[in-house]
Amino acid sequence: NAGVTQTPKFQVLKTGQSMTLQCAQDMNHNSMYWYRQDPGMGLRLIYYSASEGTTDKGEVPNGYNVSRLNKREFSLRLESAAPSQTSVYFCASSGDREETQYFGPGTRLLVL
Amino acid sequence: KNEVEQSPQNLTAQEGEFITINCSYSVGISALHWLQQHPGGGIVSLFMLSSGKKKHGRLIATINIQEKHSSLHITASHPRDSAVYICVATGNQFYFGTGTSLTVIP
Repeated sequence: NAGVTQTPKFQVLKTGQSMTLQCAQDMNHNSMYWYRQDPGMGLRLIYYSASEGTTDKGEVPNGYNVSRLNKREFSLRLESAAPSQTSVYFCASSGDREETQYFGPGTRLLVL
Repeated sequence: KNEVEQSPQNLTAQEGEFITINCSYSVGISALHWLQQHPGGGIVSLFMLSSGKKKHGRLIATINIQEKHSSLHITASHPRDSAVYICVATGNQFYFGTGTSLTVIP
């Protein structure tokens, strides 16, 4: 089992460019999450999906969109990247909302 | 106003010491998680608690629902325990502590 995989591992964007961060899990989990972590700060929830076909906003959803494509995949899209979105992005999944979350390795994004 | 408070923010210990990290929360929750983030950035979930106590190797996590408090204990600490430990309370929303940075010196 690969667990939770994220692509790409690292990306550099110019302000205004768009991109999609991909996340997939092979544990048959219902719930999936996108977090960002800024230097010296804790994790902040961007969006989560309790089950296939549903998504909900987290603490910092502005500037992002998500798609729960199927049970395995949960993508995060930046339509018009801004320097403030420079961060490390983590995807996670869990069986259900209260259960243990398993994290991907992270995507380091730099917006110039 | 932080719904979840962790203490201490930073902790340095000698190898072999018993370590306690505390997490207090002010909201109703259904579960509390302890995460470990290593210097390389990877995040591992250590425990998920809804009541009582759990043990895994040298790590012990407890939660007191009435007092809205959880503790993470590390027995016989080792330099490889050096990491940031984060508590996450799950209620209507997800509430994150800001983390405790632990350094264990040989």
